[in-house]
Amino acid sequence: AQSVSQHNHHVILSEAASLELGCNYSYGGTVNLFWYVQYPGQHLQLLLKYFSGDPLVKGIKGFEAEFIKSKFSFNLRKPSVQWSDTAEYFCAVNGGDTASKLTFGTGTRLQVTL
Amino acid sequence: GAVVSQHPSRVICKSGTSVKIECRSLDFQATTMFWYRQFPKQSLMLMATSNEGSKATYEQGVEKDKFLINHASLTLSTLTVTSAHPEDSSFYICSVGPPSYEQYFGPGTRLTVT
Repeated sequence: AQSVSQHNHHVILSEAASLELGCNYSYGGTVNLFWYVQYPGQHLQLLLKYFSGDPLVKGIKGFEAEFIKSKFSFNLRKPSVQWSDTAEYFCAVNGGDTASKLTFGTGTRLQVTL
Repeated sequence: GAVVSQHPSRVICKSGTSVKIECRSLDFQATTMFWYRQFPKQSLMLMATSNEGSKATYEQGVEKDKFLINHASLTLSTLTVTSAHPEDSSFYICSVGPPSYEQYFGPGTRLTVT
């Protein structure tokens, strides 16, 4: 069974600081990787996804993530966070077969202070 | 991406009663929908996969007789929490999208059982 680990549970940053949120997964086969964001009181939204190709993927709002297959990692980065980035961030993975399901990490709460 | 709605957004019910939650895919023909449960400050846990025109597939540990799922059309899936108890209080979220690809999430339904 696949699993996803997010080691940072709660991160507090000042505006303009750089962000990196860790995500590691365990799954032996081909994977699709996702980062979702949940702003306070809102539903989950897709930030970015990796299916294949260039391991450095760019998403919305200046976020990017790098897939490192050898490390089973898909860390999320942003060079300069804004107060509006305050939210819960979830890493998720599913296998490449059509019957697989999304497995979510435990989430990281990001708090950006002014 | 697909637009997903849920109704109601919030519901309070008494212990022992049943509650029905609707998930609608407004612009995507969804042969498959997914139901998740999210506890406060925790991640999403997949409860079941709703299959249009056939029985739902439940995850291990999820009682199928307690959480009844009906997926009668390509745009509507319902989750009925039967004989609800306070421990069923949670945030229930549905998603649509092709398996192994990105999912689009509904805004969620907050269930409180008193």
